[in-house]
Amino acid sequence: EVHLVESGGGLIQPGGSLRLSCAASGFTVSNSYMSWVRQAPGKGLEWVSVIYTGGSTYYADSVKGRFTISRDNSKNTLYLQMNSLRAEDTAVYSCVRGYYDNSAYYPHYWGQGTLVTVSS
Amino acid sequence: DIQMTQSPSSLSASVGDRVTITCRASQGISNHLAWFQQKPGKAPKSLIYAASSLQSGVPSKFSGSGSGTDFTLTISSLQPEDFATYYCQQYDNYRWTFGQGTKVEFK
Repeated sequence: EVHLVESGGGLIQPGGSLRLSCAASGFTVSNSYMSWVRQAPGKGLEWVSVIYTGGSTYYADSVKGRFTISRDNSKNTLYLQMNSLRAEDTAVYSCVRGYYDNSAYYPHYWGQGTLVTVSS
Repeated sequence: DIQMTQSPSSLSASVGDRVTITCRASQGISNHLAWFQQKPGKAPKSLIYAASSLQSGVPSKFSGSGSGTDFTLTISSLQPEDFATYYCQQYDNYRWTFGQGTKVEFK
């Protein structure tokens, strides 16, 4: 059974850094299309970043240059390193496993998310 | 980015009602459209992918249709466990975008 468990969220001051983790079980992160999606309080869902099986990474314009997605194959864990945090980064961050169908990847499994609050 | 417009934002319904939610993409996305359900404090649950393919284990009361820019999610007979928020999402490219959500509430 697939499980995704995020951790690492918390209260951080503007300009600070946090690293989120997503521990996976039931499948292999390195063989999977993995994304981070966030939802600000009272707002909609926003795609943040993706890492392909081959290691290619992409970012939303709102986080490019500040966030880095990575994975540790030995720990079967996905990460999101967040630097230069801003108030508008406040959100619940969820990791998502994508599944391939008809030439595209759709979100198949979601974690429950971890809350990041950026505030002084 | 592709914009997804979902309607209504909320609806009130009774057990047994047939419920329909619509989603429109700002450009054609073929059938690269997914629907998922979210309950408070829980991880989203995938219901439908490829616009109309039911995810394994999802009851057949859920159905999806559409292609190109216009899509619908239908719940044929609403049950108490179906009161939740539903989202559409396009995956035509890696920049996933989402509808604003439809909260299905008890009338």
